[in-house]
Amino acid sequence: EPEVTQTPSHQVTQMGQEVILRCVPISNHLYFYWYRQILGQKVEFLVSFYNNEISEKSEIFDDQFSVERPDGSNFTLKIRSTKLEDSAMYFCASSMGQLRTGELFFGEGSRLTVL
Amino acid sequence: SQQGEEDPQALSIQEGENATMNCSYKTSINNLQWYRQNSGRGLVHLILIRSNEREKHSGRLRVTLDTSKKSSSLLITASRAADTASYFCATDRAGNNRKLIWGLGTSLAVNP
Repeated sequence: EPEVTQTPSHQVTQMGQEVILRCVPISNHLYFYWYRQILGQKVEFLVSFYNNEISEKSEIFDDQFSVERPDGSNFTLKIRSTKLEDSAMYFCASSMGQLRTGELFFGEGSRLTVL
Repeated sequence: SQQGEEDPQALSIQEGENATMNCSYKTSINNLQWYRQNSGRGLVHLILIRSNEREKHSGRLRVTLDTSKKSSSLLITASRAADTASYFCATDRAGNNRKLIWGLGTSLAVNP
């Protein structure tokens, strides 16, 4: 069964360092997303991406964050200068169509720990 | 505004019992989805119910939606220890189908 894969599963970094989280969405999906979940808190929307551009981003997704689909398979989230409060589980998701028509398929997440 | 609030926050039952979790939301929606998350793992889609549907079944899962009350319930019948997980509702707000808004989830423990 096709699945969304994310790497790394866990990354520890120093505050101020750049981090790139990688995702390989399901191959025939068209919509891509990043969500994050701080321990014990809600899943929060970060950004959605369609047709090679950001379709929506949340207020969390400030200038420190960027996304890229560098080739036909990868979808990356970059945090330019990490802060302590960026420590969270980051989930990549993809969908075939728009949300009103179907489900999101999530990866297993990348746990980011900022020291 | 906060969307998708589940209750109870935690639920502990015995294997074989039914588990009911509720979700309330504040704005009009296109659909409401329920997801499951095992501890430390990813989110797995369980069921989607559209705003014009009132009830949906999938195996041991039954979801209802009451748009007049802006609420949904997820019923797991004949629970198993393997159902132990957190369950989240997520809404696709009407007029915006580019993001899901999530609740805090219900942590379900099914004791053998």
